This record gives sequence, structure tokens and C-alpha cells, in this order.
Amino acid sequence: QKEVEQNSGPLSVPEGAIASLNCTYSDRGSQSFFWYRQYSGKSPELIMFIYSNGDKEDGRFTAQLNKASQYVSLLIRDSQPSDSATYLCAVYSGGGADGLTFGKGTHLIIQP
Amino acid sequence: GAVVSQHPSRVICKSGTSVKIECRSLDFQATTMFWYRQFPKQSLMLMATSNEGSKATYEQGVEKDKFLINHASLTLSTLTVTSAHPEDSSFYICSASSGTGATDTQYFGPGTRLTVL
Repeated sequence: QKEVEQNSGPLSVPEGAIASLNCTYSDRGSQSFFWYRQYSGKSPELIMFIYSNGDKEDGRFTAQLNKASQYVSLLIRDSQPSDSATYLCAVYSGGGADGLTFGKGTHLIIQP
Repeated sequence: GAVVSQHPSRVICKSGTSVKIECRSLDFQATTMFWYRQFPKQSLMLMATSNEGSKATYEQGVEKDKFLINHASLTLSTLTVTSAHPEDSSFYICSASSGTGATDTQYFGPGTRLTVL
């Protein structure tokens, strides 16, 4: 069974600091990895995806992937109070059209 | 960016009635649409995968006769919850993808909150 694990938090980070969110997955055949942000009562919105080992940067966000360790992370630089949300890690493992397997999410709180 | 809409955004119904939820891709053709369900403080759980013109593929434990999915066109998929019961109350979210590859992004609709009395 495919599993995606995240620390549920809450993770509290001071404004302006770096927030680090982690995710591990069980299916070694997983192909691509997504980070979504979800505000309470809203649907997820895509932050970024990554499918190659290493780092991928997009603005204040950096995704890091280590397939050998089955580990993916998201760094948020210069954290803002508006970044406070639940961050969902999602993994794609299918050979064709297939849904995503989501972690339970990490609740991030940015303290002003 | 790609926009996916859902209708209705919120629905309250009596136990035993059926509810239809629409998912539309507004500015792209969705080869595949997905239906997820999210209970409070839980993660999204995939219910089914829907391809235009073919039968939906349901995840284990999801009753296909209770959750009817129709993907009639490349921009519209519907989920009908038949004979809804209070335990079906949840946040139903669809997503749409224009491709079938590993890096094809899924774009999520705003969700439909279903409350069954």
C-alpha cells in the first residue's frame, strides 16, 4: 500500500525565517512529487512539483528530492504570515493516468 | 494557469436523496479527471479516476454503484452520490489533468461541501 508520511505539526516559525517541511513515501517506484498548500475549508493549490533528484527553486520556495532516501522536502524562505496553512505532500506512482497519494499534511503557523 | 470549477460549492440534503456534483475544466481539455474526498483533519483520499468516454476506475473500498461518475466530455465530469447518508458528509474535490504522464499536473477545483442530514 502506498503511504505518504508527514509530521502533522503544528510547526511554528517566526516571520522572516525559513520553514522546512518534510515528507517520506513508501513506494520506491514513485515518479513525481507535488507540494500543495491548503487553507482551511479550501481546496489544495499547487505550489510546485519535482521529479528529479536534487533541488528545484521557485521564488521563495525550494523543493528537495532524494529518491534513495525516499524523502522530499519543501523550504519556504522569508516566511510570511500568509504562508500559514496546511501543506500537503502528494506522490504520483501510477504507470498511466492515476491519482495522487496525499500525506495528511503539516500545519504551518508563521508567527508575526 | 489552468482553472477548474465545481458546482455546487455547498449542498445540504436529506438522507436518502441523491446529489450531483459537476467538475469543469474551464480553459483546457482534461484527458483525466479525479475525484477525491476529504474528511475533517484528514488528507485527501482518491475515490476514482475518470477518463473521457470510458468507465471510471474506482479505488478499493469505494462503491461504484453509490458514487456514479460520468465523464461525458473533455471538460466535464460529474459525481452523483446516490442515496446519501450522514456518513457521506464530506468535502468532495475534483481535479483535472490534461495528460497522462508522471509530470502532468493535476489542477484542483474549489471543492463541494456536502452535508447529509
